[in-house]
Amino acid sequence: QKEVEQNSGPLSVPEGAIASLNCTYSDRGSQSFFWYRQYSGKSPELIMSIYSNGDKEDGRFTAQLNKASQYVSLLIRDSQPSDSATYLCAVTSGGSYIPTFGRGTSLIVHP
Amino acid sequence: DADVTQTPRNRITKTGKRIMLECSQTKGHDRMYWYRQDPGLGLRLIYYSFDVKDINKGEISDGYSVSRQAQAKFSLSLESAIPNQTALYFCATSDLGTSSMETQYFGPGTRLLVL
Repeated sequence: QKEVEQNSGPLSVPEGAIASLNCTYSDRGSQSFFWYRQYSGKSPELIMSIYSNGDKEDGRFTAQLNKASQYVSLLIRDSQPSDSATYLCAVTSGGSYIPTFGRGTSLIVHP
Repeated sequence: DADVTQTPRNRITKTGKRIMLECSQTKGHDRMYWYRQDPGLGLRLIYYSFDVKDINKGEISDGYSVSRQAQAKFSLSLESAIPNQTALYFCATSDLGTSSMETQYFGPGTRLLVL
């Protein structure tokens, strides 16, 4: 069974700091990797996707992928209280393109 | 207007009752999904459909059934609700025909309480 593991947290960081969220996956054939943000009581929304090894930057967000070590991470620079949410890692593999979601990491950014 | 809508947004029902959760989308996507979310357990796939004539079971389909009435509509039924089906239910869509083909677009969710 394909597994996606995340530390449930909460991860607490001060405003302005870098928040680092990590995710590991079990299927070495995984092809696509996603980070979704979910505010309490709301639906998940995509913030980053990454498909090849290395870093991908989008504003304050950087996704990092290391397929050899089977992990993907999300860095949030200059964290803001509005970044406080649960971050879900999702991974797809095979030909169905159906993601497997991790359980999510709760991030708290305190002023 | 929201691209993916779900009705009802909240529902309280009793054990043994049959209920239906509905999902509609205006995104024109072929693929639709039903997930449930429980505290600490993340999103788990119940059923998915790649087109009107294609229905597939997900990770936790027992106790659920679905109907894909049209490309834009995908309904989830609980034939005889039980308390452990209390959860937050999300409908989602995706479009294989674009560069972001694996991105899931979620509806606002239905909060279901089974007494």
